[in-house]
Amino acid sequence: ETGVTQSPTHLIKTRGQQVTLRCSSQSGHNTVSWYQQALGQGPQFIFQYYREEENGRGNFPPRFSGLQFPNYSSELNVNALELDDSALYLCASSPGGKEVAEAFFGQGTRLTVV
Amino acid sequence: AQSVTQLDSQVPVFEEAPVELRCNYSSSVSVYLFWYVQYPNQGLQLLLKYLSGSTLVKGINGFEAEFNKSQTSFHLRKPSVHISDTAEYFCAVMPNYGQNFVFGPGTRLSVLP
Repeated sequence: ETGVTQSPTHLIKTRGQQVTLRCSSQSGHNTVSWYQQALGQGPQFIFQYYREEENGRGNFPPRFSGLQFPNYSSELNVNALELDDSALYLCASSPGGKEVAEAFFGQGTRLTVV
Repeated sequence: AQSVTQLDSQVPVFEEAPVELRCNYSSSVSVYLFWYVQYPNQGLQLLLKYLSGSTLVKGINGFEAEFNKSQTSFHLRKPSVHISDTAEYFCAVMPNYGQNFVFGPGTRLSVLP
């Protein structure tokens, strides 16, 4: 057990809809990063939140947005869902700064867009 | 920018045989190096990491890896595999100033009885 919890574990959405995924970070961690893992591929960095501010973003369109709360939990929002958004979404919780290497991953949310 | 190459997409090996999973990376800055394992329908579990110091790193479940800076490699090895080692293995790097992981495409290790 890593102490990083993601919800829901699975969900199915229709193309064009919006979805919100949630991540509870490990106690003492102020940084949350989100990754998208398409089937058969390695995870791709979406963005990172550090102390409630976005602190880096990968090559994802603006319809991927996020939020971090004062308790350092985080949400990933995806608008106007496309079929290619079907993937496993992983969040990683870590201390800030260089200690971001001490990350723990959640079990992921499997999103299917139909 | 960083990139990671895992030369073998699939590695079948018999139980109790040794295995090596290969990883090479490219980066213009110094990096930290990681190996993660992913079992079906699960998240990523850290096997081992290299941050600094000894280039031979030992991890969980009997795995080890060696950092070779001149060859920009970080190959994962285990002297004797078990059926339970069947999983997807990901090599990853992170710039040493921190931020995000860059993952390779993964190697599927299948341990055969």
